Amino acid sequence: DTEVTQTPKHLVMGMTNKKSLKCEQHMGHRAMYWYKQKAKKPPELMFVYSYEKLSINESVPSRFSPECPNSSLLNLHLHALQPEDSALYLCASRGQTDTQYFGPGTRLTVL
Amino acid sequence: AQSVTQLGSHVSVSEGALVLLRCNYSSSVPPYLFWYVQYPNQGLQLLLKYTSAATLVKGINGFEAEFKKSETSFHLTKPSAHMSDAAEYFCAVSDGDNFNKFYFGSGTKLNVKP
Repeated sequence: DTEVTQTPKHLVMGMTNKKSLKCEQHMGHRAMYWYKQKAKKPPELMFVYSYEKLSINESVPSRFSPECPNSSLLNLHLHALQPEDSALYLCASRGQTDTQYFGPGTRLTVL
Repeated sequence: AQSVTQLGSHVSVSEGALVLLRCNYSSSVPPYLFWYVQYPNQGLQLLLKYTSAATLVKGINGFEAEFKKSETSFHLTKPSAHMSDAAEYFCAVSDGDNFNKFYFGSGTKLNVKP
């Protein structure tokens, strides 16, 4: 089973709201990733966690705050977002091979 | 640094025709190469990957790709297109280091005409 789940599927939020995106995998993978994807563009890497430690932050604004509470769960906390942050947010995980397995994504709309 | 170029942002084929999606990579080390497919409002699904075991790689849904080091290419093919193949296709390269950071191509949207 190579399933990565993400909730919610859709999220609409105002610029003053605080919300969180959730990603979960039960494959025993120790690396997890957050990507942002705008329409008609490839995914852009935001964060990488390896063994529950933040390993890469691609200069993402502080209004995005990642968290890895345990080896199966990855959160992305959102606060004071801008309309240009509207996008599809994808989570991925990787085990011992080089393959990343992607979740279905959360479609975020910021009003 | 790694990079990937996908020639043709849009490719249109007739149902039953050959599908050819092009991917060229730039890598200073032996690469790991991947093709992913993305249907509208969905995540990326792995089609196939090259990890040096064999130059011709077979994937899901009848797709295959051939690694050609001399041409630094990893083109994706399918002998006969099906309507359900209409989607966005991304080629990606990873050098295996740096937490397996992926470098994606810009994507090719495949349209299949009846």
